[in-house]
Amino acid sequence: KAGVTQTPRYLIKTRGQQVTLSCSPISGHRSVSWYQQTPGQGLQFLFEYFSETQRNKGNFPGRFSGRQFSNSRSEMNVSTLELGDSALYLCASSWLAGGYNEQFFGPGTRLTVL
Amino acid sequence: QKEVEQNSGPLSVPEGAIASLNCTYSDRVSQSFFWYRQYSGKSPELIMSIYSNGDKEDGRFTAQLNKASQYVSLLIRDSQPSDSATYLCAVNKGNQFYFGTGTSLTVIP
Repeated sequence: KAGVTQTPRYLIKTRGQQVTLSCSPISGHRSVSWYQQTPGQGLQFLFEYFSETQRNKGNFPGRFSGRQFSNSRSEMNVSTLELGDSALYLCASSWLAGGYNEQFFGPGTRLTVL
Repeated sequence: QKEVEQNSGPLSVPEGAIASLNCTYSDRVSQSFFWYRQYSGKSPELIMSIYSNGDKEDGRFTAQLNKASQYVSLLIRDSQPSDSATYLCAVNKGNQFYFGTGTSLTVIP
């Protein structure tokens, strides 16, 4: 069974631009979560989608948004990029969310904002 | 108060020793508990999950859960240099996962 895939793997953008990251979950998984990881802050939860609905959102500004499609694939968008948005963005999927479901991570997208 | 707390380390153990990693969580309603291993520059990899009190063993890894003390631990027996990584503790509450900041482990040959 294929794992979680994320595209692109690396991105370099400049301040003020916007970016869209894509995530394809493990086949059959319906919950997709997004995280930002930086050396100083560790893993920070962005949002979680299940059946095309955002169920949870972390403490990030409105510049960070996401969506999930009917095939469970998900995208996240960051508008008006800032230098502090440079990070590893991780997508993780699970069959459901909650209970005893295990969550598996994709390889991540490393975003550099210049 | 953070949902999940870990000692950031670094923790150093000699090759062949037992490495002990600890984690506490704040909310008693948390249902399930996980350990992830993350190598530098890579994404986290799930290595253990545990749902009920007691020990769960998988190869050289043993996860221990004590819900009364709100405490989860991971023991790595016969530590190898390839075990050198950051270990993340995660807790599932409701439909969200909460992660600790990770403990850096170095196994010295």
